[in-house]
Amino acid sequence: GEDVEQSLFLSVREGDSSVINCTYTDSSSTYLYWYKQEPGAGLQLLTYIFSNMDMKQDQRLTVLLNKKDKHLSLRIADTQTGDSAIYFCAETLWDDKIIFGKGTRLHILP
Amino acid sequence: GAVVSQHPSWVICKSGTSVKIECRSLDFQATTMFWYRQFPKQSLMLMATSNEGSKATYEQGVEKDKFLINHASLTLSTLTVTSAHPEDSSFYICSAPGQSEETQYFGPGTRLLVL
Repeated sequence: GEDVEQSLFLSVREGDSSVINCTYTDSSSTYLYWYKQEPGAGLQLLTYIFSNMDMKQDQRLTVLLNKKDKHLSLRIADTQTGDSAIYFCAETLWDDKIIFGKGTRLHILP
Repeated sequence: GAVVSQHPSWVICKSGTSVKIECRSLDFQATTMFWYRQFPKQSLMLMATSNEGSKATYEQGVEKDKFLINHASLTLSTLTVTSAHPEDSSFYICSAPGQSEETQYFGPGTRLLVL
């Protein structure tokens, strides 16, 4: 069945790069997304990548997609305290159904 | 584990009618639930935060009189699309945070088609 998996926790020192990984099982995905959720708030779209791309860069964010391995990653350069949040990986399938991972909590160390 | 259900999963209605979508947390209580909509081939957009015992908080640009949210109990939030029009056709998803707030549980979504 369809499944999206990601590690639950990541700790990174301030100023270092954070890399959050995600794997998915369904090869019919059309778009893949990264959402950010700050405490007490709903999800906000951070960035997305179309399934025929392998990389997308947007300021401090770099998304890498390895379609062969069904692996998606989000790299945050120069991690700041404001980046502390839960990051959700998601994919939309051919029928527009959206599948979410369980989220990775990013903790910033001083 | 914790589950969030939505009902109905599919609804087709005529333009001008109102449609109610239910979001239930099963086996856990949720004082807060979130409502999202997704347009075809696009990402999820947060519509509002549903708060048990108080008014919902709407995101900018979302009409609160159009999308009525009622958090009736600790396990149920409803979204009513009033006087639905074809442009309201979308995929509506709710979510609820888990006990630790480290996790978020998503409903399976409700596909609305307004003719």
